[in-house]
Amino acid sequence: QVQLVQSGAEVKKPGASVKVSCQASGYTFSRYSMHWVRQAPGQRLEWMGWINGGNGNTKYSQKFQGRVTITRDTSASTAYMELSSLTSEDTAVYYCARDLGQRFSFDYWGQGTLVTVSS
Amino acid sequence: EIVMTQSPATLSVSPGERATLSCRASQGLSSNLAWYQQKPGQAPRLLIYGASTRATGIPARFSGSGSGTEFTLTISSLQSEDFAVYYCQQYNNWPPLTFGGGTKVEIK
Repeated sequence: QVQLVQSGAEVKKPGASVKVSCQASGYTFSRYSMHWVRQAPGQRLEWMGWINGGNGNTKYSQKFQGRVTITRDTSASTAYMELSSLTSEDTAVYYCARDLGQRFSFDYWGQGTLVTVSS
Repeated sequence: EIVMTQSPATLSVSPGERATLSCRASQGLSSNLAWYQQKPGQAPRLLIYGASTRATGIPARFSGSGSGTEFTLTISSLQSEDFAVYYCQQYNNWPPLTFGGGTKVEIK
């Protein structure tokens, strides 16, 4: 069965960076793209970016351009999302989510990683 | 950026009743719209994609309709496990992919 397992909660100071991992199992990692979506407390879901599982191409939301980097390690079936220059507004649960076969909707989700930014 | 607007923000429904949720897009989407269910403390779950295609394992009481800018998610007979927040998401024009603000379905 498909599973996406994310790394654990993080507490960061303003200005720092955070890197969240998402290990996939139960399917051929390189055949599916992966997205990253975040949800701040009480807020709507917010798409951050996407990585093509096969060729590693990426696209990012302009809101995060320059601050977010999404990478993957196909040998480890793991995707990563790194967000830099953190502020309190980046406090949120971060999810990885598998693409539904080039349909750009999300059929499997990780359990979420809470990132808290606080001085 | 396409803005997604959901209504109502909260819907109070009795178990066994029908629930109708709306989602409006600021631009036409064709049928490139998905619906998700999210329960407290959990990740979202895909219900519908292509505006009307149920995802794997989703019960038939969930149905989606619409195209262009107006979409509807209908839950024909609410079960206790259906009380949750529902989000629509467009994938017609990206980046960015965008979500609606959600409709909370609560017990009346």
